[in-house]
Amino acid sequence: ETGVTQTPRHLVMGMTNKKSLKCEQHLGHNAMYWYKQSAKKPLELMFVYSLEERVENNSVPSRFSPECPNSSHLFLHLHTLQPEDSALYLCASSQDRGRPLYFGPGTRLTVT
Amino acid sequence: DQQVKQNSPSLSVQEGRISILNCDYTNSMFDYFLWYKKYPAEGPTFLISISSIKDKNEDGRFTVFLNKSAKHLSLHIVPSQPGDSAVYFCAAGRRGQNFVFGPGTRLSVLP
Repeated sequence: ETGVTQTPRHLVMGMTNKKSLKCEQHLGHNAMYWYKQSAKKPLELMFVYSLEERVENNSVPSRFSPECPNSSHLFLHLHTLQPEDSALYLCASSQDRGRPLYFGPGTRLTVT
Repeated sequence: DQQVKQNSPSLSVQEGRISILNCDYTNSMFDYFLWYKKYPAEGPTFLISISSIKDKNEDGRFTVFLNKSAKHLSLHIVPSQPGDSAVYFCAAGRRGQNFVFGPGTRLSVLP
């Protein structure tokens, strides 16, 4: 595998479910990110990890919980989501913050 | 208030002609700029960057121009090809900090 991979690619979940999104980067980068892309909106930065330490949490509701166990892996744990949380969730990595980001293919999440 | 704006939601260009995608920013502290291309069902792909110490950067068919006084950058694609049809995002930021993305412009290259 090369670049940034994300699983699953598609996820449908009910409002009471708990699920996790997984991201893995094979680029040797130090920073990893979660972004949300909703229809007709700019990319919204959710979380930033640098050297496995969370350095930014952009006022994201607590029903989204990130985890970065090592510099190659990033998770987004989801619980009791709302229908308005339906969106494309993109993982990205970069050599360091402020360097070009390399994105994964995204997880299309639908909350029913 | 959007710090990075792409005022054209869509653009159509004939194959072989030039595509010009525009981006404006409001924060004069931004000193590093990126362009991304996104196909449906894929993540954005990094295309080209430019630092504020330059006013032009070229990579093959893609050239980015930066006008710092106008807080404006543009991406030129010459010649345009049908495979260039995608959504293009610009992003602006500072070294060591996070990038702010624009809303995107959908480019359609007509054969």
